[in-house]
Amino acid sequence: SQTIHQWPATLVQPVGSPLSLECTVEGTSNPNLYWYRQAAGRGLQLLFYSVGIGQISSEVPQNLSASRPQDRQFILSSKKLLLSDSGFYLCAWTRTTGQYFGPGTRLTVT
Amino acid sequence: DQQVKQNSPSLSVQEGRISILNCDYTNSMFDYFLWYKKYPAEGPTFLISISSIKDKNEDGRFTVFLNKSAKHLSLHIVPSQPGDSAVYFCAASATPGTYKYIFGTGTRLKVLA
Repeated sequence: SQTIHQWPATLVQPVGSPLSLECTVEGTSNPNLYWYRQAAGRGLQLLFYSVGIGQISSEVPQNLSASRPQDRQFILSSKKLLLSDSGFYLCAWTRTTGQYFGPGTRLTVT
Repeated sequence: DQQVKQNSPSLSVQEGRISILNCDYTNSMFDYFLWYKKYPAEGPTFLISISSIKDKNEDGRFTVFLNKSAKHLSLHIVPSQPGDSAVYFCAASATPGTYKYIFGTGTRLKVLA
């Protein structure tokens, strides 16, 4: 069976500090991978998606970047966090029946 | 511009009764729709989907209805159970193959015992 991991589960970071969130998928190969953010009172916003190693599409302009160094690894990064980067970050992968999400990372920027 | 809207932020229903969650969309190119359930501090879990070529899809206690002319879909849960209490998101896609979904803002369902 397929499993998706995210870490850390929670993170508190000061404004201006860097960020690295990691997502890995097990039990499948060459998945489409996605980063979403859920900000307070808002729906899930698609940030990035990737159809393969080194292939990243950005959906919205922002202070974040993504990388896919390995087939089943997807990383979300920032060089300098802003207060507005606070939110619940979710990694997801897809198969024909739909999209399946990881447990998420709660990021609080102080 | 919110292409997928869930206008009711919350809903309370008595256990055993029907829960109806609504979702409206603006993009007529959307061809695939999904519902997700989300518990606090967890990722959303896929619940049920419907293609634009259908107007109804049923899976156990969950039924999704699609009205393309009204650009409206709804999720019916019958009978509602306390364990159904969660936030429900509808999502839509207009780009087959990339699975780029646009999500609504969610409706918090509370099922009262």
